[in-house]
Amino acid sequence: KQEVTQIPAALSVPEGENLVLNCSFTDSAIYNLQWFRQDPGKGLTSLLLIQSSQREQTSGRLNASLDKSSGRSTLYIAASQPGDSATYLCAVILSYFSSNDYKLSFGAGTTVTVRA
Amino acid sequence: ETGVTQTPRHLVMGMTNKKSLKCEQHLGHNAMYWYKQSAKKPLELMFVYSLEERVENNSVPSRFSPECPNSSHLFLHLHTLQPEDSALYLCASSQVSTESNYGYTFGSGTRLTVV
Repeated sequence: KQEVTQIPAALSVPEGENLVLNCSFTDSAIYNLQWFRQDPGKGLTSLLLIQSSQREQTSGRLNASLDKSSGRSTLYIAASQPGDSATYLCAVILSYFSSNDYKLSFGAGTTVTVRA
Repeated sequence: ETGVTQTPRHLVMGMTNKKSLKCEQHLGHNAMYWYKQSAKKPLELMFVYSLEERVENNSVPSRFSPECPNSSHLFLHLHTLQPEDSALYLCASSQVSTESNYGYTFGSGTRLTVV
């Protein structure tokens, strides 16, 4: 069974500092990995999707790397802002499955607070 | 409308009530999902529908009953729930094939409180 772990569970930084969020998974045979953001009591917003053949994806201040062999992904957020305060979730999709559908395995998330 | 829409946003129900959660996706995706998010716990997959056929029932109690009448709509029918069923229920959709996956899109969720 795929286990997804996110460290740290919570992170508080002053505005302007770079954020580094870690995600590890036990089964390296993943199809792709997706990073989400969740604001309190709200749904999930997709940030970045990394296919298994890719090493990284970038969008604005966000950069996510993927190292399948070591079972790790890292989300970098440059020059953090108070609006970046949220919970960040990592999810992986296995490359093998019993039917033609794709299921996500989620980590518990990292709750980020950016202090003004 | 675009994306994945869930209604209602908030729901309070008694343990003897019957209610339904609704999800609608406007993305042309062919798979839809129900997830449960309880406080301090990772998201739990409840049901998966691929091409309108249920392909997963992840040991969910029978008091939760899904329905997928077409590829754009997904319902979760609730009856005789327990207080521990109080949670955020999230709907998601994706486009699945053997060739590609463009990731998941989630709705804003329904906050359910069972009293």
